[in-house]
Amino acid sequence: QLQLQESGPGLVKPSETLSLTCTVSGGSISSSSYYWGWIRQPPGKGLEWIGSIYYSGSTYYNPSLKSRVTISVDTSKNQFSLKLSSVTAADTAVYYCARLRRQWLVGQWGQGTLVTVSS
Amino acid sequence: EIVLTQSPATLSLSPGERATLSCRASQSVSSYLAWYQQKPGQAPRLLIYDASNRATGIPARFSGSGSGTDFTLTISSLEPEDFAVYYCQQRSNWLPITFGQGTRLEIK
Repeated sequence: QLQLQESGPGLVKPSETLSLTCTVSGGSISSSSYYWGWIRQPPGKGLEWIGSIYYSGSTYYNPSLKSRVTISVDTSKNQFSLKLSSVTAADTAVYYCARLRRQWLVGQWGQGTLVTVSS
Repeated sequence: EIVLTQSPATLSLSPGERATLSCRASQSVSSYLAWYQQKPGQAPRLLIYDASNRATGIPARFSGSGSGTDFTLTISSLEPEDFAVYYCQQRSNWLPITFGQGTRLEIK
């Protein structure tokens, strides 16, 4: 049974960098069948695609966030990570990591982690 | 960026009734349209992909239709566990992957 678990600080100061890691268990992040992604949801609002990565390191970012986002993968640890720089209150959201089919279909989700941007 | 507009924003129905949710794209997405269900405090769940294909384990009362710019999610007979928020999602030509703003299906 594949599981994804987000981890990282729940509180980040404005202008700093948000860093989250997703640990994959019950399956290999090096599978050729899947991409891995990050999606966020501000409290009470809808879903926003952040970006995705393949085990080889190939990435796709939402152009609206591209200048601030870095997604990386560590196959030895079966993890992938998200860094979002220069955060503001608008980046406060539940951040989900996910396993993707065909680069866009979210078949498996992590439980989500709330990150609040506040001083 | 392709904008997905979902309607209605809120739909109030009773168990046993038929629900029809709409998702309209600002330009054609072919059949690259998916539907997700989200219950409070939970991550979304994939229901339908490629406009009309049910994901694994999704009951047959859920069906999707449409292509191009107009799509519909139909729940044939509502069960109590179906009351949730529903989102559509598109990918097309690698323009940004986007989601609709959601339709809240509530018990009347």
